[in-house]
Amino acid sequence: DAKTTQPPSMDCAEGRAANLPCNHSTISGNEYVYWYRQIHSQGPQYIIHGLKNNETNEMASLIITEDRKSSTLILPHATLRDTAVYYCIVLSGGYNKLIFGAGTRLAVHP
Amino acid sequence: EAEVAQSPRYKITEKSQAVAFWCDPISGHATLYWYRQILGQGPELLVQFQDESVVDDSQLPKDRFSAERLKGVDSTLKIQPAELGDSAMYLCASSHLLANSYNEQFFGPGTRLTVL
Repeated sequence: DAKTTQPPSMDCAEGRAANLPCNHSTISGNEYVYWYRQIHSQGPQYIIHGLKNNETNEMASLIITEDRKSSTLILPHATLRDTAVYYCIVLSGGYNKLIFGAGTRLAVHP
Repeated sequence: EAEVAQSPRYKITEKSQAVAFWCDPISGHATLYWYRQILGQGPELLVQFQDESVVDDSQLPKDRFSAERLKGVDSTLKIQPAELGDSAMYLCASSHLLANSYNEQFFGPGTRLTVL
């Protein structure tokens, strides 16, 4: 079973920041938080990952709370092409198995 | 930019027939994954290879599904016989040898299977 809880859907206006929350209250100290997204009819795409510090790359920022029980993926200036299903995943297992839940369906509108 | 290749992109078959999907990972990636994604759900790992060896096939229905990666490069996933419930997207992904929990997987476009 997935170790994360995400809202099923969210809306965002184009050009505004999209903040996607994720709860992972049972995360262990050595488990990473990964975010992937899946645009319609494509395979999932890696976005970002982190352990306990906030992370930023060219796609997004990841904010992890101090107790590590939740995190937020931030798309600073959402575009229509960011419309996708976003998956928050806690990396688990000896061979680092990604277990996908249902994700959050983000709709970016003009 | 290197990509994971999959074929065919679409496959329609009748139940009880055999089907096979092919995947060519990004060159140099030691780890290869096959996922199944039912409409409206997230991908579910079926099998994971490290080079030519299976390291996780706990979710693979072994009575009808088989997977191989004979030379540690490309891979084939087979279903025999296909059932109506096998209709789904079959995704292949690859990654570098796992180290320190870093696991960026690169996914192919998938094969959409419809069983009639």
